[in-house]
Amino acid sequence: AQSVTQLDSQVSVFEEAPVELRCNYSSSVSVYLFWYVQYPNQGLQLLLKYLSGSTLVKGINGFEAEFNKSQTSFHLRKPSVHISDTAEYFCAVSTNAGKSTFGDGTTLTVKP
Amino acid sequence: EAGVAQSPRYKIIEKRQSVAFWCNPISGHATLYWYQQILGQGPKLLIQFQNNGVVDDSQLPKDRFSAERLKGVDSTLKIQPAKLEDSAVYLCASSLGLRGGGKNEAFFGQGTRLTVV
Repeated sequence: AQSVTQLDSQVSVFEEAPVELRCNYSSSVSVYLFWYVQYPNQGLQLLLKYLSGSTLVKGINGFEAEFNKSQTSFHLRKPSVHISDTAEYFCAVSTNAGKSTFGDGTTLTVKP
Repeated sequence: EAGVAQSPRYKIIEKRQSVAFWCNPISGHATLYWYQQILGQGPKLLIQFQNNGVVDDSQLPKDRFSAERLKGVDSTLKIQPAKLEDSAVYLCASSLGLRGGGKNEAFFGQGTRLTVV
């Protein structure tokens, strides 16, 4: 079985500040790692994913994430946020069989 | 490319009534998912189809929920009878298929917000 823990339910930062959204996971099998973003009244859309190879993954809108196998973490970062980054962010893991498990989300609020 | 289409967007029903949701996935996507997203929580998988076969329905409350995917394309999710705790957003998603295993990203519809009163 897999589980995903997003360590912060809410994060609030000022515009142009850096941000880190934390995600830890546990799994008895190998998994793939994903970050999705959900803007108000919209469905989830993929930010980035880690399948293999380099542990630093770059995604859309300037986001990046680093896979740390020893700490079973996949934290999401952005060096300078914009107002438009205000949204809900979900970390997810997926098994080779295609079964996905999502965290409970982190609400990011970017203040002017 | 058209995205995942869901209808209706909103639905309000009384408890013990029935309700159905419809989903049209992205053309060519073999895998279709239904998720339940309760306020303040992440999406929880209800059922996963590969073409028109069920891959995983272990978390589907089968005494009241049912789903089908006719001809491996569109899908409907039904709740009968509804309970207050079924109030949630029901998300449909699709992906290319199990050939890529869990590597494939899921594409989500906008969801149906169900309120049971």
